[in-house]
Amino acid sequence: QVQLVQSGAEVKNPGASVKVSCKASGYTFTSYYMHWVRQAPGQGLEWMGIIHPSDGSINYAQKFRGRVTMTRDTSTSTVYMELSSLRSEDTAVYFCARGESPFHAFDIWGQGTMVTVSS
Amino acid sequence: DIQMTQSPSSLSASVGDTVTITCRASQSISSYLNWYQQKPGKAPKLLIYDVYSLQSGVPSRFSGSGSGTDFTLTISSLQPEDFATYYCQQTYNTPPTFGQGTKVAIK
Repeated sequence: QVQLVQSGAEVKNPGASVKVSCKASGYTFTSYYMHWVRQAPGQGLEWMGIIHPSDGSINYAQKFRGRVTMTRDTSTSTVYMELSSLRSEDTAVYFCARGESPFHAFDIWGQGTMVTVSS
Repeated sequence: DIQMTQSPSSLSASVGDTVTITCRASQSISSYLNWYQQKPGKAPKLLIYDVYSLQSGVPSRFSGSGSGTDFTLTISSLQPEDFATYYCQQTYNTPPTFGQGTKVAIK
């Protein structure tokens, strides 16, 4: 079945970086875009950016430009999201989510990865 | 960025009730409006896309309507498994943005 499986929870110190993975299965990896969305505790959903696995093209939310890097590995059908210069406000659950295009709904979501930033 | 505003922020309802959640966009988004359901500790789940279209496997008691800037999600005959938080989302342009959520609780 179609699914996205994310890496496990992380605890990081302020100023460090975190890299979260999202492995796709059950569909043609290069045919769909992948979004990253985060959710701080008790808060709403915030879009971080999008990558197209076929050519690696990316578009980051203005808020995260300079701190976020999204990459993909087509040999393992995995996308990655790395966030640097972490601060306490980055404590959140990070989700990957599939979309047919930038204008389509997010039809499949990963289970989420909790990232805690604390000294 | 397009701002999405949901109302109410929360509501209490009983099993069997009909519930309506509204979502307003800060500018016209044509039909690029989606609805998600999220339960505690889980990822959001797509319910309705492009205003009206029911995602595969979603019960027909969920329905969507609207156009332009004003949209609604209706849940007919609320079931115990429907108690959750609901988010609207626009994908008309980048960045895609979400409403702040509406929590549907048991009365």
